[in-house]
Amino acid sequence: GAVVSQHPSRVICKSGTSVKIECRSLDFQATTMFWYRQFPKQSLMLMATSNEGSKATYEQGVEKDKFLINHASLTLSTLTVTSAHPEDSSFYICSARPPGQYTDTQYFGPGTRLTVL
Amino acid sequence: AQRVTQPEKLLSVFKGAPVELKCNYSYSGSPELFWYVQYSRQRLQLLLRHISRESIKGFTADLNKGETSFHLKKPFAQEEDSAMYYCALSWDSSYKLIFGSGTRLLVRP
Repeated sequence: GAVVSQHPSRVICKSGTSVKIECRSLDFQATTMFWYRQFPKQSLMLMATSNEGSKATYEQGVEKDKFLINHASLTLSTLTVTSAHPEDSSFYICSARPPGQYTDTQYFGPGTRLTVL
Repeated sequence: AQRVTQPEKLLSVFKGAPVELKCNYSYSGSPELFWYVQYSRQRLQLLLRHISRESIKGFTADLNKGETSFHLKKPFAQEEDSAMYYCALSWDSSYKLIFGSGTRLLVRP
């Protein structure tokens, strides 16, 4: 149990376009989802916390107008990279926190590799 | 601010040798510490958490508040332990995780 999926697994887009990445909890309801970014050979950097039915909370230095997060249901959060530029190329990873267990348990998705040309 | 430091990018040992992956943290309150592991071509997964005081796959980690450390140890490394290991910290029931830069463990036959 506790599987998190991401779609797409990789995406290539032109500069200036917007890209949407989906994060789904397949067999549990996630009140909270997290979005991370990972640059090559670097660690995961928390971008934002996504709470179902409310606005996302962004970490310092993360542009909320550039990285739009929507958590419309207990099993789906989306990250939209708006007007993408080459510097947005990265590996984006989501995680989901199920209620009713260890409060800090997070299950991670497989990640989405974004390449902006 | 919270910070997690993993000083070693790569740790290479022979099969059967002891392993210690270092992790130090900075946080003035009471943190919760975790070790996550990422095997080749797989997603990140929780290995163990300090609050559980458990041993997973032969690995243990003890929280040392005096030294602000949470080193991961295993007495006899196996080839299947080769992976990327991340130390992470959570605080104040925020559920957020701050990750260290990771250590790649390579266990040679």
